[in-house]
Amino acid sequence: DQQVKQNSPSLSVQEGRISILNCDYTNSMFDYFLWYKKYPAEGPTFLISISSIKDKNEDGRFTVFLNKSAKHLSLHIVPSQPGDSAVYFCAASAEGAQKLVFGQGTRLTINP
Amino acid sequence: DAGVIQSPRHEVTEMGQEVTLRCKPISGHNSLFWYRQTMMRGLELLIYFNNNVPIDDSGMPEDRFSAKMPNASFSTLKIQPSEPRDSAVYFCASSGSRLGTQYFGPGTRLTVL
Repeated sequence: DQQVKQNSPSLSVQEGRISILNCDYTNSMFDYFLWYKKYPAEGPTFLISISSIKDKNEDGRFTVFLNKSAKHLSLHIVPSQPGDSAVYFCAASAEGAQKLVFGQGTRLTINP
Repeated sequence: DAGVIQSPRHEVTEMGQEVTLRCKPISGHNSLFWYRQTMMRGLELLIYFNNNVPIDDSGMPEDRFSAKMPNASFSTLKIQPSEPRDSAVYFCASSGSRLGTQYFGPGTRLTVL
């Protein structure tokens, strides 16, 4: 039972355009959501997070949107840069818990 | 500042052998997590510690796997005996607070022949 799903294994975007990565979850107890970015041969690195009390969080070129009723979150990257090419993982945790549940990841490729 | 340190970075062993993976968390962090990444199951939590005490080991696949944290600066994940299906990348992560961001190490790529 996969509680966090990233249905797109890969995404290709032109440099300068917007990248939108999507994530769905099934567990209504999840109240904290994170995005991690992973380059080959490295560990995942934290990118941005959002609490369920918000519907949007922004950090520079990165914005995460949360739609609780739809149990859906998305990561927007604007403008996309070649260095953004990586695998992006969505993760979630339940109230007060440290345990993170990860999605399968989406490989983002930014084309020059 | 040094991040999470894992050793070895690569390990190739034969079925039946004991494997020990090591992790040094970020200094001052009181939570440590062991993850495994495979193509089939993605990134899954195996076990985590708070203040050196195991809190949740429900992700440990079977008794062949064990983890210890003898002090705040060191943890091990041991597989004995190892099997080919244990081949994966194993990540260690640490966090400085209960809901704090988890910082991952570079991982250990384990291959069991």
